[in-house]
Amino acid sequence: GAVVSQHPSWVICKSGTSVKIECRSLDFQATTMFWYRQFPKQSLMLMATSNEGSKATYEQGVEKDKFLINHASLTLSTLTVTSAHPEDSSFYICSAREVAGVTYEQYFGPGTRLTVT
Amino acid sequence: AQSVTQPDIHITVSEGASLELRCNYSYGATPYLFWYVQSPGQGLQLLLKYFSGDTLVQGIKGFEAEFKRSQSSFNLRKPSVHWSDAAEYFCARGGADGLTFGKGTHLIIQP
Repeated sequence: GAVVSQHPSWVICKSGTSVKIECRSLDFQATTMFWYRQFPKQSLMLMATSNEGSKATYEQGVEKDKFLINHASLTLSTLTVTSAHPEDSSFYICSAREVAGVTYEQYFGPGTRLTVT
Repeated sequence: AQSVTQPDIHITVSEGASLELRCNYSYGATPYLFWYVQSPGQGLQLLLKYFSGDTLVQGIKGFEAEFKRSQSSFNLRKPSVHWSDAAEYFCARGGADGLTFGKGTHLIIQP
């Protein structure tokens, strides 16, 4: 149980285009989903927290107009990187927290490798 | 703000030897603590977690961790490492705002 999927697992796009990454909780409902970014050989940095049916909360320094997050249902959150540039190339990981969760445990997706050329 | 410190960026251990990875967390109420492992290009896999109760926690793949409130530590241990344990290890602390990760420890296994 508690499986989180991400799609696509990797994507290459041209500079200036937009890319959408999906995060799904497959066997549980998630009121809260988190989006992280990881640069090579570095730790995960929280980008934003999304709650179903409400606006995402972005961490300081993360451009909300560039990284659009939508949490339309209890099993799906999407991250859209708009007008992508090479510096947006990174590994993006989502995680989800169960509706009934009280211990802050998160279940992680396998990640999406984004390369902007 | 909560913080998690992993003092060792790299650790090299011989195959079959014991392992201890250090993790310290900032003070606060009872912490929710996690250890994750990440292989190159992969997502995170949960090794073990501590919420309350017994301070010695058993996890998957033969790992265990001990919560020591007096030292604000949650060190990860394994009695005998295997070459397949080579990976990046992250300690994390849970809170309402999400997880706070340490910078990670890169584990290298020598034959």
